[in-house]
Amino acid sequence: EAGVAQSPRYKIIEKRQSVAFWCNPISGHATLYWYQQILGQGPKLLIQFQNNGVVDDSQLPKDRFSAERLKGVDSTLKIQPAKLEDSAVYLCASSRAGTRAEQYFGPGTRLTVT
Amino acid sequence: QQQVKQSPQSLIVQKGGISIINCAYENTAFDYFPWYQQFPGKGPALLIAIRPDVSEKKEGRFTISFNKSAKQFSLHIMDSQPGDSATYFCAARGDSNYQLIWGAGTKLIIKP
Repeated sequence: EAGVAQSPRYKIIEKRQSVAFWCNPISGHATLYWYQQILGQGPKLLIQFQNNGVVDDSQLPKDRFSAERLKGVDSTLKIQPAKLEDSAVYLCASSRAGTRAEQYFGPGTRLTVT
Repeated sequence: QQQVKQSPQSLIVQKGGISIINCAYENTAFDYFPWYQQFPGKGPALLIAIRPDVSEKKEGRFTISFNKSAKQFSLHIMDSQPGDSATYFCAARGDSNYQLIWGAGTKLIIKP
C-alpha cells in the first residue's frame, strides 16, 4: 500500500509571495489532515477534511491560508501572502473514516520564508 | 488544560541502555495516549498507544507506563539501539474532541 505523498519536499520563497502544497492520501482514506510543524515543536492541526467537507479549520489562519480537497481525494494547502513565521514543515496525514482511526503521515514539505 | 508537557527535550543514551521519556497532562477527559516516532525528513509514525484503563503496555522493546492519578505517562525503550535515534512525540486525545494534542518532542540519540 502506497503511503501519503506530498510535494514539493522543499520550498524557499520570499515573504509576501504565495506557495501551494499538494497531498495525495492513502487510497480509501476518507479523512485528511494538514499540520504545521515548527522546528522544536509538535505538529499543530491546521485543517481536517472528511471526504471533501471541512470538519475542523479552527486553527487555520484564514486571512492567508486556504485549503481544498476536490473530489474527496487530493488536497492542496495554499499560503498567500507568506510571512516569515510561516517557515515550518507542513505535514499531510490521512486516516480511514472515524475520529479514532490511526493517522498516517506523509514526509512533509519544508517551507522556508526569507 | 489542553497542553501535554514532554521532557526531556533531548536525551543521549548508550547503546543497550534504557531510554525514558516522560509526559504529563491536565485534562482528565483525555482517554487515548499515543507515542509517535519521527526520523529526519519523515513524517511521524505511530509507535505505541495506551488507554487509561491499563497501567502498562509493552510492544517489543517499547513500553508505555501510565499513571492515571498522577496524570503522567512515559515511554521506555529497552536495550536502546542506534536505529532508535529519532524524535519522539507523546500525544493525547479526548473522547469528545478527536484532535491530537502533541508534546514538544524529545530528540533521542543512542551512542554506539
